[in-house]
Amino acid sequence: NAGVTQTPKFQVLKTGQSMTLQCAQDMNHEYMSWYRQDPGMGLRLIHYSVGAGITDQGEVPNGYNVSRSTTEDFPLRLLSAAPSQTSVYFCASSYSRGDGTQYFGPGTRLTVL
Amino acid sequence: KQEVTQIPAALSVPEGENLVLNCSFTDSAIYNLQWFRQDPGKGLTSLLLIQSSQREQTSGRLNASLDKSSGRSTLYIAASQPGDSATYLCAVRAGNNRKLIWGLGTSLAVNP
Repeated sequence: NAGVTQTPKFQVLKTGQSMTLQCAQDMNHEYMSWYRQDPGMGLRLIHYSVGAGITDQGEVPNGYNVSRSTTEDFPLRLLSAAPSQTSVYFCASSYSRGDGTQYFGPGTRLTVL
Repeated sequence: KQEVTQIPAALSVPEGENLVLNCSFTDSAIYNLQWFRQDPGKGLTSLLLIQSSQREQTSGRLNASLDKSSGRSTLYIAASQPGDSATYLCAVRAGNNRKLIWGLGTSLAVNP
């Protein structure tokens, strides 16, 4: 199993550009989530999904959209990038709505100029 | 509101020492607690998961305990090695939506 994969690993955007961060898992996990990690602030939940077709907002959803058309994929879209979105983004998954072990992808380091 | 605190923020020890990392949380109503390791520039790796009904979990040189009544968990690392150098994070799963609430981590350096 590849586990949780994320692409790209690094990305530089200009203010106002849009892009999609890809996340996929091959463990048949129902629960998937997106976090951002910033120095001194820890991990903050952006959006999460409890299954295909179901998504919900986390702590810091503004400026981001998600969709979950399949069990495997959970892309994160930045609508109009801002310097405040410079961060490291992690996708994670677990078997159930959060009872089991959380598996993380390797992260995407995003810089917005 | 559930809050998770990890003290100390940073720790430096000589190789071979046994050490304890601390995690405290403010609300005992949790589903589980998980310890993670993060190497610089990498993602998070789950080390141990303790369900709310459990008192401890062990994996190799690692032992994690959970005391819900006092709102504390400890991660014990036996015979530390330079390869243990990393940031260790704890997170509790709590609330109706079962979200993870994170500590800021303890940065561990094990010196040869």
